[in-house]
Amino acid sequence: EPEVTQTPSHQVTQMGQEVILRCVPISNHLYFYWYRQILGQKVEFLVSFYNNEISEKSEIFDDQFSVERPDGSNFTLKIRSTKLEDSAMYFCASRPGRVGGYTDTQYFGPGTRLTVL
Amino acid sequence: GQNIDQPTEMTATEGAIVQINCTYQTSGFNGLFWYQQHAGEAPTFLSYNVLDGLEEKGRFSSFLSRSKGYSYLLLKELQMKDSASYLCAVRDVDGRGSTLGRLYFGRGTQLTVWP
Repeated sequence: EPEVTQTPSHQVTQMGQEVILRCVPISNHLYFYWYRQILGQKVEFLVSFYNNEISEKSEIFDDQFSVERPDGSNFTLKIRSTKLEDSAMYFCASRPGRVGGYTDTQYFGPGTRLTVL
Repeated sequence: GQNIDQPTEMTATEGAIVQINCTYQTSGFNGLFWYQQHAGEAPTFLSYNVLDGLEEKGRFSSFLSRSKGYSYLLLKELQMKDSASYLCAVRDVDGRGSTLGRLYFGRGTQLTVWP
């Protein structure tokens, strides 16, 4: 069964450094998302991406964040200058988008644990 | 604002039935989802309701009442492996009225199944 993949599984970085989190969504899915989950807290929406552009972003997704789909398969989240409070699990998700109902749900990748020191 | 409430913790014994409730108040509604999340892992999709009523899927069932802003997840014949956090999530309709909407998650209900 196809699945969303993410790399790396764990990223440790120094405050102020740039990080790029990578995701490969499920092939032929049209909608892509990034969420984050700070330890012990709820999953929070960051951004959605469709047709090669951001379709919606949350208040968390400020100028330090950017997303890109550099080729037909990868979907990346870049944090330009990491802060301590960016430490979290980052989940990528994709959704088919062609049909509604039961199958048109978001499927999550395994996540990247980002630790900012 | 968006508000999704669910109990923080629940416990049950193997073989039992447990019902996890979720109430929501959101500006838009385009479906309610239940996900299972084991510690340190990704949420995995369990069920989806967009119309009122009960959806059954093996040992798991989910119910929705849109007029009451209420859903529950019913787990039958509990197994030890069902110990996990269960996340209630509502899909919004975005500002343009499309179905691209994000998911708003509750804080999750940590279910512990005892032998």
